[in-house]
Amino acid sequence: GQQLNQSPQSMFIQEGEDVSMNCTSSSIFNTWLWYKQDPGEGPVLLIALYKAGELTSNGRLTAQFGTTRKDSFLNISASIPSDVGIYFCAGHAISNFGNEKLTFGTGTRLTIIP
Amino acid sequence: DSGVTQTPKHLITATGQRVTLRCSPRSGDLSVYWYQQSLDQGLQFLIQYYNGEERAKGNILERFSAQQFPDLHSELNLSSLELGDSALYFCASSGNRGLGTDTQYFGPGTRLTVL
Repeated sequence: GQQLNQSPQSMFIQEGEDVSMNCTSSSIFNTWLWYKQDPGEGPVLLIALYKAGELTSNGRLTAQFGTTRKDSFLNISASIPSDVGIYFCAGHAISNFGNEKLTFGTGTRLTIIP
Repeated sequence: DSGVTQTPKHLITATGQRVTLRCSPRSGDLSVYWYQQSLDQGLQFLIQYYNGEERAKGNILERFSAQQFPDLHSELNLSSLELGDSALYFCASSGNRGLGTDTQYFGPGTRLTVL
């Protein structure tokens, strides 16, 4: 199945650092979603974006819906140990025929170095 | 705890067999979604049911089928299992029907191993 390109694949940072990751696609999406998955658990929705250019924050997290509708970005400021996990983007699109698709990114694994 | 329950937690079976995974959505949620997460394919959306009816279909193989019952619990049936079907299968639920607009709450997953 198709996956969106997400980068970086992994990040090793120190506590307190800021983090940036992005997701790109060759096709247009109507909605961008960002999820976090902790080991042994299901993904949890962090932020949802519904409009091109939209910038939305959730605490220390900020995400943007790219103006081309083909990309999205997630930033985490002042990282803390509980930020460790895998972050996934997901794009939702509706075709002219009403068919819907939900496609996930390849994931960014965030590790905090002590 | 998301409120979504999935059983069993682990399942080990052989190629060619058939298995059923079960999901109970959060109380009051009408939509159930099924996902497959594997190392090579990542997280893939399989199918969505809303109030008993199939609403959206993703990358679900013909060997797989799902249904949602009147009490809103759902089952995912996987048949003629192959080694490549080994994966984590997640169920999620949401209150309404929006695949991309509703907040989905994921269950803990069922780990399927096909030997």
